[in-house]
Amino acid sequence: GQQLNQSPQSMFIQEGEDVSMNCTSSSIFNTWLWYKQDPGEGPVLLIALYKAGELTSNGRLTAQFGITRKDSFLNISASIPSDVGIYFCAGLPYSGAGSYQLTFGKGTKLSVIP
Amino acid sequence: DSGVTQTPKHLITATGQRVTLRCSPRSGDLSVYWYQQSLDQGLQFLIQYYNGEERAKGNILERFSAQQFPDLHSELNLSSLELGDSALYFCASSAPGLAGGPDTQYFGPGTRLTVL
Repeated sequence: GQQLNQSPQSMFIQEGEDVSMNCTSSSIFNTWLWYKQDPGEGPVLLIALYKAGELTSNGRLTAQFGITRKDSFLNISASIPSDVGIYFCAGLPYSGAGSYQLTFGKGTKLSVIP
Repeated sequence: DSGVTQTPKHLITATGQRVTLRCSPRSGDLSVYWYQQSLDQGLQFLIQYYNGEERAKGNILERFSAQQFPDLHSELNLSSLELGDSALYFCASSAPGLAGGPDTQYFGPGTRLTVL
C-alpha cells in the first residue's frame, strides 16, 4: 500500500525549543492530518488540512499542507514536557464517495528534556 | 476523550483462538474504521463500515472479519489467532465532512491483544 515518509523518527529537545517534523509522499493526498499518541492511548487529532498551501494553527502547533499536495509539516513552538509523545501524519487520498482510507506515517517520537 | 469507546482494553489469548473486539462510535457518527497498530508496521487500515455496510477494505486478513450493527456499534472478529496478530487494535469513527468534504476520524483508546 501507500507509504508516507515521516521524519525525523525521533527527537530529543530541551524544554522551550521549537520542533519541526514533516511527511512526504510519492502520491497526492487531498487531506493531511496530524495526530498525537500518548502511550497506551489512541491517536488524538491535532490539526486537519484540506487545501494545498493551507497553513493552520492550533495553539503552539502550526501545520501546512504543501503546494504539491505531496508533503506536510508540523511545527511545535516553545515545547513543554506534556508535548512528549508520538506524532503521526496521515494522508487521505480521494478513493471514491464515502471511502476514506487513511495512510499513516511511522511516527516521530518526541522527548522533551526539562 | 474522543467519544469513541472500545472494549475490552486488554485481551490475552492463545494461538488458534478466536476473539471479538467491540467499538461504539461517537454519537451521530455513521462511519466506523478499524486499524491495527504493531511495532514494525505502524498504523494499518483494516476496514471501514458506513451505516451498516462495508465501504472499504485495507490490509485485512481473511481470518479477520467485521460488521456494523443497526445501532452503529461495530465488532471486529479475529480467528485462528497467530503470535503475529498481537497488536493494538483501534476503532475510529467519523461524520460527514463540511460541504461534502473528507471526514475527520476520531480514534478510540484501543484494545491491546496479546496472543501467547
